Amino acid sequence: DAGITQSPRHKVTETGTPVTLRCHQTENHRYMYWYRQDPGHGLRLIHYSYGVKDTDKGEVSDGYSVSRSKTEDFLLTLESATSSQTSVYFCASGETGVSGNTIYFGEGSWLTVV
Amino acid sequence: GNSVTQMEGPVTLSEEAFLTINCTYTATGYPSLFWYVQYPGEGLQLLLKATKADDKGSNKGFEATYRKETTSFHLEKGSVQVSDSAVYFCALTLSQGAQKLVFGQGTRLTINP
Repeated sequence: DAGITQSPRHKVTETGTPVTLRCHQTENHRYMYWYRQDPGHGLRLIHYSYGVKDTDKGEVSDGYSVSRSKTEDFLLTLESATSSQTSVYFCASGETGVSGNTIYFGEGSWLTVV
Repeated sequence: GNSVTQMEGPVTLSEEAFLTINCTYTATGYPSLFWYVQYPGEGLQLLLKATKADDKGSNKGFEATYRKETTSFHLEKGSVQVSDSAVYFCALTLSQGAQKLVFGQGTRLTINP
């Protein structure tokens, strides 16, 4: 398994406060991703990165921003948290190979916005 | 657009039963297909994958065949164990670079001893 660590693993925050989730990978993967998991929706892509300082939006990017200043780190920021952003957030990373790309996932960050 | 539809759960089986979890997809192009598994409190792990039509992915006794004619990628296992209890996600990607996975909603599987 790829070395992907997320922090914090659990957080409770108040509506309107900023929140930053951190993802760190040790595999030197080019691509990194942030997904959210909600009942009935599976996982949905929030943002992804294809290199340092190169990021793009996924299907549910509203209310979120990301930054990638180093290959190994990918930050997800909720500028002003809302209750609809209560979710489990998964970071993932991967690299393109001859046989395609395998994506590895972190263990998740449980965020509750009250 | 691209989408994945899985059979609704939860699915409850007895140990040693035969398992099928249905997955169908809609895609503009020729996707690669995946099954991921999520054990309680953990992240997703790749279970198996197939990158072209008629390919069969297999791992840990699970199998799935990429059927282009029926746009399906059903997950099967001949004899399930209690340790197979988890949530299973079918997914696809069309990207050659950044692999932006599109997931089904997940199927929760419980195996009773």
